[in-house]
Amino acid sequence: GNSVTQMEGPVTLSEEAFLTINCTYTATGYPSLFWYVQYPGEGLQLLLKATKADDKGSNKGFEATYRKETTSFHLEKGSVQVSDSAVYFCALSDDGNTDKLIFGTGTRLQVFP
Amino acid sequence: EAQVTQNPRYLITVTGKKLTVTCSQNMNHEYMSWYRQDPGLGLRQIYYSMNVEVTDKGDVPEGYKVSRKEKRNFPLILESPSPNQTSLYFCASSSTPGEGNTEAFFGQGTRLTVV
Repeated sequence: GNSVTQMEGPVTLSEEAFLTINCTYTATGYPSLFWYVQYPGEGLQLLLKATKADDKGSNKGFEATYRKETTSFHLEKGSVQVSDSAVYFCALSDDGNTDKLIFGTGTRLQVFP
Repeated sequence: EAQVTQNPRYLITVTGKKLTVTCSQNMNHEYMSWYRQDPGLGLRQIYYSMNVEVTDKGDVPEGYKVSRKEKRNFPLILESPSPNQTSLYFCASSSTPGEGNTEAFFGQGTRLTVV
């Protein structure tokens, strides 16, 4: 079945450092890809998405490009802030007939001043 | 404000005592689902509903029940909770089932402990 693999955390960075969180997927067909973020004590919220190959999703300075050839959707940000500290989940849409999402295990990001 | 509301946020219960976690959304979404979040496993889908009176199993449905009598509500029922159901639970909704690319809106989560 479809699956998502994320890099293990936690990722610890200083403010203004460059961030990459790796995400690769296995899927049949052409799923949409998502990054969700979970701030402490809150539910998940959509950060960005891409619906087809070579699409780039972007939001709040974060970017990810849908790479079909490498089955990847890595999350990047050029300069992180303390307020970016959260858990980041990569996900794909599992079934075109429903909105079921398959999630990775999550990567905790900690940014220090 | 568009939101998904879960209650309670925290619950400690004993093995075998029936409980219900409520979920309500105010966005008139057709699709609703329940996930559980466990360390090292990410989120896994328990049950989902495409519309009123239409529900189906997700990946980990054992020990759970759901109902969808109204569009806005999708309660999760544990008839006889066991310690392996100790987890963080999220309800989610989205507007257009079948497109596979719509944003899912999540509740704030319910942390359940079964002793």
